[in-house]
Amino acid sequence: QMQLQESGPGLVRPSETLSLTCTVSGGSISSYFWSWIRQSPGEGLEWIGYIYHTGNTNYNPSLKSRVTISIDTSKNQFSLKLRSVTAADTAVYYCAKVMLGDAFDIWGQGTIVTVSS
Amino acid sequence: EVVLTQSPGTVSLSPGERATLSCRASQSVNTKYLSWYQQKPGQAPRLLIHGASSRATGIPDRFSGSGSGTDFTLTISRLEPEDFAVYYCQQYGSSRYTFGQGTKLDIK
Repeated sequence: QMQLQESGPGLVRPSETLSLTCTVSGGSISSYFWSWIRQSPGEGLEWIGYIYHTGNTNYNPSLKSRVTISIDTSKNQFSLKLRSVTAADTAVYYCAKVMLGDAFDIWGQGTIVTVSS
Repeated sequence: EVVLTQSPGTVSLSPGERATLSCRASQSVNTKYLSWYQQKPGQAPRLLIHGASSRATGIPDRFSGSGSGTDFTLTISRLEPEDFAVYYCQQYGSSRYTFGQGTKLDIK
């Protein structure tokens, strides 16, 4: 049974870079699309972007200038970098698998990231 | 960007009752790309319905989805205590994904 687990710092200072990793277990990352999604009280659920195992990416236009998603198939991991963070980037960050039909069928448990000095 | 508006914002019902949740899109959505999720406090969203009407693996048949174009509905035929949660619709179109703001289903 495939599982996803996010990891990374829970506290990031303003103007710095948020970095998270999602580890995929119970299956190969070398198929499917993989996404990052965040949830904040003020903004609800917001799709950040996705990556295919080939490295092709697609980002939410509202975040595109600050986001990079990468993949390491040898480690069965994919990662998120969000640059120049502000308090508005404080949220629970989820990684998720994208199934055919573009639904998110498997989610990580989520990790809370707070942006504060 | 396709904006999804869910209604009502909150609905209070009793176990055994039928729940009807609405999701309206600002422009037409391909039914292949309309999904519904359930989220309980402290948990990640769980996929219930994809392709507007197909239940995800392991989802009980009291959950059903319908609709097309700009109007979609999630129906829970007979509410169980574990169904009280927040429900979100989500669509994929124009190379991006958007979510509705959610409907909270409360116990009456």
